[in-house]
Amino acid sequence: DAGVIQSPRHEVTEMGQEVTLRCKPISGHNSLFWYRQTMMRGLELLIYFNNNVPIDDSGMPEDRFSAKMPNASFSTLKIQPSEPRDSAVYFCASSPADGYNSPLHFGNGTRLTVT
Amino acid sequence: GESVGLHLPTLSVQEGDNSIINCAYSNSASDYFIWYKQESGKGPQFIIDIRSNMDKRQGQRVTVLLNKTVKHLSLQIAATQPGDSAVYFCAEKGRGSWGKLQFGAGTQVVVTP
Repeated sequence: DAGVIQSPRHEVTEMGQEVTLRCKPISGHNSLFWYRQTMMRGLELLIYFNNNVPIDDSGMPEDRFSAKMPNASFSTLKIQPSEPRDSAVYFCASSPADGYNSPLHFGNGTRLTVT
Repeated sequence: GESVGLHLPTLSVQEGDNSIINCAYSNSASDYFIWYKQESGKGPQFIIDIRSNMDKRQGQRVTVLLNKTVKHLSLQIAATQPGDSAVYFCAEKGRGSWGKLQFGAGTQVVVTP
C-alpha cells in the first residue's frame, strides 16, 4: 500500500501566482480531506469529500481557494491568486468508506512558500 | 517582522522510561478520539483510537485512556525509545460530524539517552 500521495513536496511561488496541489488517496478510501498546518493555528480542516462530492467546505478560508475531486483517485487544491499568508504545509488525508469512526491516513504534505 | 507561533508544550523523557501525554478535549458530544504522531517533514501518523463507549484501549507499547467526566484523554508510551521523539496530537470527532476531526495543538516529546 503506497499510502496517500501528495505532489509536489515543496512549492515556492510568487504572490499572485496560481498554485495547484495534488493528492492521490489510498485505493478504496471513499473520503478525502484537505488540511492546512501552520505554527499559528495548527492543523485546520479546509474541505472534505465523500464519494467525490464536497461535503463540508466551511474551512476554506477565501474564494481564492478551491478544491475538486474529479474521480475517486485524484483531488486538487488550487489557490488563485496566492498570497504570502497562504504559506503553510497542506496535507491530504483519506479514510475508508465506513469512515464514520475510522482514522484518517495522511500524506506527507506539500510545503507551500509564497513570497 | 517575525510571526509568533504556538509554543508547543514539551515532554522530556529518558530512554526506557514510560511517557504520558495528556489532552483536554473540548466537545462533550465527541464520540471518537485518535492519537497521531508527527515526525519532522512527515504527515501525522495514526497511533491508536478509542470510541466513547470505552475508557481504555491498548496497542503495541501504547495505551489510550479516556475520562469523559473531565473530558481528558491520555496516551501512555511504554519503554520510550529515541524513535518516539515527535509531536503528538490528539484529535476528536463530534457525534454526527461524519469524518471531521478537530485536532489539539500537540505535544513535543523529546527522548534523551
